[in-house]
Amino acid sequence: AQSVTQPDIHITVSEGASLELRCNYSYGATPYLFWYVQSPGQGLQLLLKYFSGDTLVQGIKGFEAEFKRSQSSFNLRKPSVHWSDAAEYFCAVGARGNNNDMRFGAGTRLTVKP
Amino acid sequence: EAGVTQFPSHSVIEKGQTVTLRCDPISGHDNLYWYRRVMGKEIKFLLHFVKESKQDESGMPNNRFLAERTGGTYSTLKVQPAELEDSGVYFCASSHVTRSVNEQYFGPGTRLTVT
Repeated sequence: AQSVTQPDIHITVSEGASLELRCNYSYGATPYLFWYVQSPGQGLQLLLKYFSGDTLVQGIKGFEAEFKRSQSSFNLRKPSVHWSDAAEYFCAVGARGNNNDMRFGAGTRLTVKP
Repeated sequence: EAGVTQFPSHSVIEKGQTVTLRCDPISGHDNLYWYRRVMGKEIKFLLHFVKESKQDESGMPNNRFLAERTGGTYSTLKVQPAELEDSGVYFCASSHVTRSVNEQYFGPGTRLTVT
C-alpha cells in the first residue's frame, strides 16, 4: 500500500519569503498526488493535484508542486508567502484505479512571521 | 454550489456515551468517505460509500463505530460506546463517480473530544 511522509511537522517563515514543504511518497507505480490545506475552522481545500503529464503543477493561491519520480517526492512551493497562508498542509497519495485508497501525510503546520 | 457540511462542528462527551456525527455531501456526489485524524497524526481512511452501499470499510477501527447512508444522501457515523482514544477530528469527503480520477471534496470536520 502507498504511504506518505511529511518530514517537517512545523515550519516558520517570514512574510514575503519563499516556501518549500516536503513530501515523500511510497508507491509501486505512478500515483495520484495531492496537496491540501486546512485553515483554522475550515475543511481541507485542494491546492493542486498531479495525475499525469507535466511534472510541474500549478495550483491555487500561487502554489506549485513538482513531481520527481526519481526522488519519490512532490514538494510544494510558493515564491512569496503571505500571512494568510498560515495553515496546516497535507500531502496525499492516491492509488490509480482505486478511488478510495488515499493516504495522507501527518501534515506540516506553517506559521508566517510579520 | 454548497460544499460538504458536517454537524456538529465540535462534540464533547464522556467515556461510555454515544455520539452521532452527520455528513451532508455535495449534491449529486455518489461517493462519500469518512476519515479521522487523531491529534498530531495523519488523516486515516475509515470507510467509503457508493450511494447507500459500503464499498470499503476496512479502515473502521472496531465494532463500536457504525456508519450509515440511508437513501444514498447524507451519512451518519455513530460511536457507541465512546472511548478516550476515539478523540480526534472526523472528516467527511465526497466525490463524483468518475472513470479514473477521484477528486475528493472535504468538509470542515467534527472535532470529537471524549473525556
